[in-house]
Amino acid sequence: AQSVAQPEDQVNVAEGNPLTVKCTYSVSGNPYLFWYVQYPNRGLQFLLKYITGDNLVKGSYGFEAEFNKSQTSFHLKKPSALVSDSALYFCAVRDRAGRRALTFGSGTRLQVQP
Amino acid sequence: DVKVTQSSRYLVKRTGEKVFLECVQDMDHENMFWYRQDPGLGLRLIYFSYDVKMKEKGDIPEGYSVSREKKERFSLILESASTNQTSMYLCASSWTESSYEQYFGPGTRLTVT
Repeated sequence: AQSVAQPEDQVNVAEGNPLTVKCTYSVSGNPYLFWYVQYPNRGLQFLLKYITGDNLVKGSYGFEAEFNKSQTSFHLKKPSALVSDSALYFCAVRDRAGRRALTFGSGTRLQVQP
Repeated sequence: DVKVTQSSRYLVKRTGEKVFLECVQDMDHENMFWYRQDPGLGLRLIYFSYDVKMKEKGDIPEGYSVSREKKERFSLILESASTNQTSMYLCASSWTESSYEQYFGPGTRLTVT
């Protein structure tokens, strides 16, 4: 079975400061890892993914994430937060040899204060 | 751009009614998915389909069924709606290759009274 944990329900950060949204995962095999963002009353938008290779993955809107196999983590980061980054963020995992659907975390609400 | 559309943004139904939620994608994706989203629970997989007329149960299939008669269309059916099925329903699609991301529709907020 695969699972994802997002330990923080909400993260607050001041505009211009760096942000981190945490994610840890559990799979029996090798993972594919994804981050999605959801703005109010919208569907999920893809941000970035880790498939293989470089552990630091860069994605849309200046976001990046670092894959750490030993800590089974895939934290989302951005060097300088914008008020417009305020949204709900979801981490998701898929076992490469497992079922085709993603397993999602419970989500973390990011609030960026001006 | 990939486009996934859902038949309704908001829906209000009565307990016991049969409810159909429709999803259409325009990218010839093999895989299609139905999730429900509830606060604090994230997205939970109801059913998915990897080919026409093929389906597999997800993590919470009870009270739901699905239909995929055409590749671009995936329907979620609530046979007899109940108040605990009040939720946001999200449809997604993707290519077969597992490294590809899923593309999501805008969601249908269903209220069962």
